[in-house]
Amino acid sequence: QEQLVESGGGVVQPGRSLRLSCAASGFTFSSYAMHWVRQAPGKGLEWVAVISYDGNYKYYADSVKGRFTISRDDSKNTLYLQMNSLRPEDTAVYYCARESIGATRGGTYNWLDPWGQGTLVTVSS
Amino acid sequence: DIQMTQSPSSLSASVGDRVTITCRASQSINSYLNWYQQKPGKAPKVLIYAASTLQSGVPSRFSGSGSGTDFTLTISSPQPEDFATYYCVQTYSTPFTFGPGTKVDIK
Repeated sequence: QEQLVESGGGVVQPGRSLRLSCAASGFTFSSYAMHWVRQAPGKGLEWVAVISYDGNYKYYADSVKGRFTISRDDSKNTLYLQMNSLRPEDTAVYYCARESIGATRGGTYNWLDPWGQGTLVTVSS
Repeated sequence: DIQMTQSPSSLSASVGDRVTITCRASQSINSYLNWYQQKPGKAPKVLIYAASTLQSGVPSRFSGSGSGTDFTLTISSPQPEDFATYYCVQTYSTPFTFGPGTKVDIK
């Protein structure tokens, strides 16, 4: 079945770096755009970043721009999020998700599915 | 960036009541609106995409409507497993933006 599994979370001090991984299986990883979404404890969902299927397009939320880098290794079916200069406000569960695309009612639409189970990043001294 | 709002922020309902959640975009997003259900400690699960298309495997008591800027998620007869938090998200343009969520609990 289609599955995403995140890893790499943990406790890190402010200003330090961390790299998250998202291993994909059960689908052709290289054909899909991939996203990171995060959720701070007790808060709502916040979109973080996207990378196109070919890696040529990347876009970031303003809150992480210049500090986080999204990348992919299609030979390993793995998505990454390099997080530098971490701040306490980056504390969250980080989810990776695939951008699915389908045609309905004469149009082509997109949605995020499946999602991984999430990995917790805690930024604290 | 497109801003998304949801109302109400929370509601209490009884099993079998009709539940309606609204979502509004700060500009037209056509039908690029998806609805998610999230339970504590779990990843979000897609219920509706393209504003009104039911994701495979989702019970038919869930329905979505709307286009442009105003959207609605309806649960026709909530079951105990439907008590959760619901989010809308626009995928019309990046950055994708989520609504703040609506928590539905049991009255």
